Amino acid sequence: AQSVTQLDSQVPVFEEAPVELRCNYSSSVSVYLFWYVQYPNQGLQLLLKYLSGSTLVKGINGFEAEFNKSQTSFHLRKPSVHISDTAEYFCAVRFSGGYQKVTFGTGTKLQVIP
Amino acid sequence: ETGVTQTPRHLVMGMTNKKSLKCEQHLGHNAMYWYKQSAKKPLELMFVYNFKEQTENNSVPSRFSPECPNSSHLFLHLHTLQPEDSALYLCASSQGHWSGRAGNEQFFGPGTRLTVL
Repeated sequence: AQSVTQLDSQVPVFEEAPVELRCNYSSSVSVYLFWYVQYPNQGLQLLLKYLSGSTLVKGINGFEAEFNKSQTSFHLRKPSVHISDTAEYFCAVRFSGGYQKVTFGTGTKLQVIP
Repeated sequence: ETGVTQTPRHLVMGMTNKKSLKCEQHLGHNAMYWYKQSAKKPLELMFVYNFKEQTENNSVPSRFSPECPNSSHLFLHLHTLQPEDSALYLCASSQGHWSGRAGNEQFFGPGTRLTVL
C-alpha cells in the first residue's frame, strides 16, 4: 500500500537551534515529494519539492530536505530556526501514475521556543 | 487578486441550510481541487477537476456537490450537513497532468472555516 507517515505530531525546539522533521513513505513506484507549511488561519504553502536529480533540495526560508530512496525518507531540516517558523508542516507524496492525486501526511507542528 | 482566493473565510450554518463555498484561481491553471482539513486527521482530498471535468470523487457524501463552470472557478455546494462536517475546506489549483509535468505543485487558498451547528 502507498502511504505517507510523519511520526512526530509536535516538535518543540529552541530559537536558533537546528530542527529535523521526519517524513517516511511507502511505495512500490516512483515518487515525487513535497513539503508544505501552514501558518495559522492560512492555506498550505510549498516549501520545496523533489522531482529528480540531486537528492538534496533547498527551499524557501532556509529549509532543505534530502531524499533517501533506500530509507524511503524525505526529512526536512533547518540549521537554525526562528520564531516565525512556528507553523504546521506537511509532507506530501505524489505516486507515479497517480496523476494529480497527492497523499499528505498528518502534519508536524513545529513550536519554536524563545 | 493573485493566487487562489476563497470566500467566505468563515461560515456558520445549521444542518438544514444550503450554502456555497467559492474558489477562484488567478494562476492560469487548469486543475482545481477541494480538500477537507479536520483536526488530527490527514488532509482529505474530496474532488479533482481537470479542464472543468471532474476526474476524481473520493467517496464524498452527496450532501457535498461540486461545480466547476470554468478552469478559474470552483464551487462547493453544501446542503443538509452534519456537525462532523465542520472543518477547514481548502481549495487548490495546479497545472493539469496532461501538461506532462507530474511534479507540478498545488497552490492553496486560505480556506473556509465551516462550522455546522
